[in-house]
Amino acid sequence: DIVMTQSPLSLPVTPGEPASISCRSSQSLLHSNGKNYLDWYLQKPGQSPQLLISFGSKRASGVPARFSGSGSGTDFTLKISRVEAEDVGVYYCMQALQSPPTFGPGTKVDIK
Amino acid sequence: ELQLVQSGAEVKKPGESLKISCRGSGYSFSSYWIGWVRQMPGKGLEWMGILYPGDSDIRYSPSFQGQVTISDDKSINTAYLQWTSLKASDTAMYYCATSRWFGEFSWGQGTLVTVSS
Repeated sequence: DIVMTQSPLSLPVTPGEPASISCRSSQSLLHSNGKNYLDWYLQKPGQSPQLLISFGSKRASGVPARFSGSGSGTDFTLKISRVEAEDVGVYYCMQALQSPPTFGPGTKVDIK
Repeated sequence: ELQLVQSGAEVKKPGESLKISCRGSGYSFSSYWIGWVRQMPGKGLEWMGILYPGDSDIRYSPSFQGQVTISDDKSINTAYLQWTSLKASDTAMYYCATSRWFGEFSWGQGTLVTVSS
């Protein structure tokens, strides 16, 4: 199984400031087709998870441009250019290379 | 529009059986993977298993193999998660999620299962 780790696990943020979350996988998520099979999801309080980023850097439909994903192989980063109050929740990375997929432990983002 | 609608909250006693459901609409049910994710109180997301209705390919996560049964009824575009003997530790929110592959999942609203004597 591919094991996913994230850091930090807790991230207090100031509105208007940038934020960054790191995700690592125990095996490379780079497919022979050149794509990285890594998703990012946000679970807002009391809600189901929602897709933010797929293939490491592709923003999902309707996701604000302040969210960006980068990285390749085993190291990935989710960045929020300027945090807004509505961005609070738990962020999960998930490997989509092998089935069933596996999630990271989650990073809880809240307002300072 | 793709939509997943899950069955309602359940309260059960230890040792009882349970089957919860997830009905898909707005897409080709047989051509998408559909799976189940557990979220224990205050904890993270865990994939339990995933099913491809087109050929009934079912893949369980090692932690859940033998503990639950995932199935589907293609005639009504519905996937199921079943327990034969519930434990208190099965208390959790259960989400179904679907995608054409193993990423970019769309999610149901969740089913809360409470197991208590």
